[in-house]
Amino acid sequence: QSALTQPPSASGSPGQSVTISCTGTSRDVGDYNYVSWYQHHPGKAPKIIIYEVSKRPSGVPDRFSGSKSGNSASLTVSGLQAEDEADYYCSSYAGSNNFVFGTGTKVTVL
Amino acid sequence: EVQLVESGGNLVQRGGSLRLSCAASGFTFSSHWMHWVRQAPGKGLVWLSRINSDGSSTTYADSVKGRFTIFRDNSKNTLYLQMDSLRAEDTAVYYCARAGYSIGWHYFDSWGQGSLVTVSS
Repeated sequence: QSALTQPPSASGSPGQSVTISCTGTSRDVGDYNYVSWYQHHPGKAPKIIIYEVSKRPSGVPDRFSGSKSGNSASLTVSGLQAEDEADYYCSSYAGSNNFVFGTGTKVTVL
Repeated sequence: EVQLVESGGNLVQRGGSLRLSCAASGFTFSSHWMHWVRQAPGKGLVWLSRINSDGSSTTYADSVKGRFTIFRDNSKNTLYLQMDSLRAEDTAVYYCARAGYSIGWHYFDSWGQGSLVTVSS
């Protein structure tokens, strides 16, 4: 149950795009289309922004998009806004009702 | 509106025990799987445990297996985490999260604000 690997940080100017990678293994990300992404402002409750690789819950702007290839998944935030500055975590189903989170990425809006 | 409110976090000595609660409202609690997730200071989110709708099936991360017990009382709309043999590395904010259902129960669609557990050595 090793954590999925994410870059520690990413940044972009307002209006730009930023892409965050999430690398797992053939036993989690690579084996299931059950990758989800969460936005976490410190001190607040995490919020789901993507589930099942690329689906957006209602209310989440279409600036957020997800994809997957092999053992890696990605989250892209387009048209960066100041309120997008937060920590982002991926998560994957890992079989047998186990789950794993990524190491987290701090997104800074310059 | 879905609400999850954790309570029970406290300062506890190493080797001690603590029980966290998560009061749920705004949805049919007995229909959803539930999870516990934690975040140690300065670290990322870590999945700990999940329980199915009626409490008959549970799963744990290796780091807490045999020490933590997840259970629920659907009559009280409450999820629990019994934590025994606590270690310094268990110091964290503990979140309860509701499982979302699509093809299966594979994501976390609502979260509480968290409850801080501090284990002193």
